[in-house]
Amino acid sequence: QVQLQESGPGLVKPSETLSLTCSVSGDSLSSGSYYWTWIRQSPGKGLEWIGYIYYSGSTSYNPSLKGRVTISVDTSKNQFSLNLSSVTAADTAIYYCAREPTDGVYVAGSYYYSGLDVWGQGTTVTVSS
Amino acid sequence: EIVLTQSPGTLSLSPGERATLSCRASQSVRSSHLAWYQQKPGQAPRLLIFGASIRATGIPDRFSGSGSGTDFTLTISSLEPEDFAVYYCQQYSSFPRTFGQGTKVEIK
Repeated sequence: QVQLQESGPGLVKPSETLSLTCSVSGDSLSSGSYYWTWIRQSPGKGLEWIGYIYYSGSTSYNPSLKGRVTISVDTSKNQFSLNLSSVTAADTAIYYCAREPTDGVYVAGSYYYSGLDVWGQGTTVTVSS
Repeated sequence: EIVLTQSPGTLSLSPGERATLSCRASQSVRSSHLAWYQQKPGQAPRLLIFGASIRATGIPDRFSGSGSGTDFTLTISSLEPEDFAVYYCQQYSSFPRTFGQGTKVEIK
């Protein structure tokens, strides 16, 4: 059974870089079957998709984060990471890692792509001096 | 970006009642790439429905999804005590992926 676990500092100072890691167990990041994704949730903005990385290193980011985000992968450790630079109080949130399958499934003769099918438990990050 | 608008914001119902939640997209969601998630306090969201109408593994059949294009619905046919939670829709038709703001289903 696949499990995702976020880790990293719970407190980050304004203007610094937030760094989180998602450790994956029960599955291999190198399988090529998933987009490994970061999402955050704050009271003011609800759920926000941050971006994803594919095992090959290709990425897609939310333009709302204005180039502050980098997602990287370490297949040897079966982990992927989030860096968010120049943080402000608006970046205070619960950060989740999750996976989105790249392939669909057949159901009753039709092909369907899934959404985010497995999530980590989330980690709270507060931006404050 | 596709904006998803959920309604109502809060639904006050009793156990055993039927819940109908709406999700409207600002532009057409390709090939019904729409999912519904349930979130309980202190927990991560859980995938309920994908492809607009397909229940995820282990999801009871009292949950059903429907719709296409820009209008989608999540129906809970008869609310169980464990169903009182917040529900989010999400589109994965285009980037960036986006979520609705959520509908809270609370006990009346």
